[in-house]
Amino acid sequence: DTGVSQNPRHKITKRGQNVTFRCDPISEHNRLYWYRQTLGQGPEFLTYFQNEAQLEKSRLLSDRFSAERPKGSFSTLEIQRTEQGDSAMYLCASSQETGRTYNEQFFGPGTRLTVL
Amino acid sequence: AQTVTQSQPEMSVQEAETVTLSCTYDTSESDYYLFWYKQPPSRQMILVIRQEAYKQQNATENRFSVNFQKAAKSFSLKISDSQLGDAAMYFCAYRSLSGGMLGVTFGTGTKLQVIP
Repeated sequence: DTGVSQNPRHKITKRGQNVTFRCDPISEHNRLYWYRQTLGQGPEFLTYFQNEAQLEKSRLLSDRFSAERPKGSFSTLEIQRTEQGDSAMYLCASSQETGRTYNEQFFGPGTRLTVL
Repeated sequence: AQTVTQSQPEMSVQEAETVTLSCTYDTSESDYYLFWYKQPPSRQMILVIRQEAYKQQNATENRFSVNFQKAAKSFSLKISDSQLGDAAMYFCAYRSLSGGMLGVTFGTGTKLQVIP
């Protein structure tokens, strides 16, 4: 399977704990995006990487959130001191793009986070 | 900031019939992309169709076509010969081409039910 993979698929944690999610993009893709999707809503953009560089962060990405993409391959999204409002599906997508020309973003299955 | 509005939370269609999903958006930009994404239950988001704003011709992909009205900022999706596999959440989405964030802005979605 050469699609985008995400681990874990489900995560249950207690309020105040830290969690980390991993995304493995399609291997030749240079861009990697993170989105958050709450129940009944569309995905909301969080941040994206071009290779290892984090180029954009939305205002939704509070200072409790940090994302990395070392060596331009897989990416991790960490949430510190989780709050109940962080409960959501976290989606990763990857694409092979240059400049502003769009090329299809391929989405992973998501990691569902539940904060108790 | 760009916004995408889907005013139909749920729609239903008889198998083999045609259905149209509505979408409006707001932007001050002149160059952008518009998309329809499909998210089947518990499955990954996939791109259905895309439209570049500078193209006057409406995009088509097999049974899927759009009605793009740039002046009215309207972007509807028509599904012809509906099939059971079309049942899913459909998200209208926007992406800047000229200067805004490269993350995709999604609407809240329309849940499509296909009745056998």
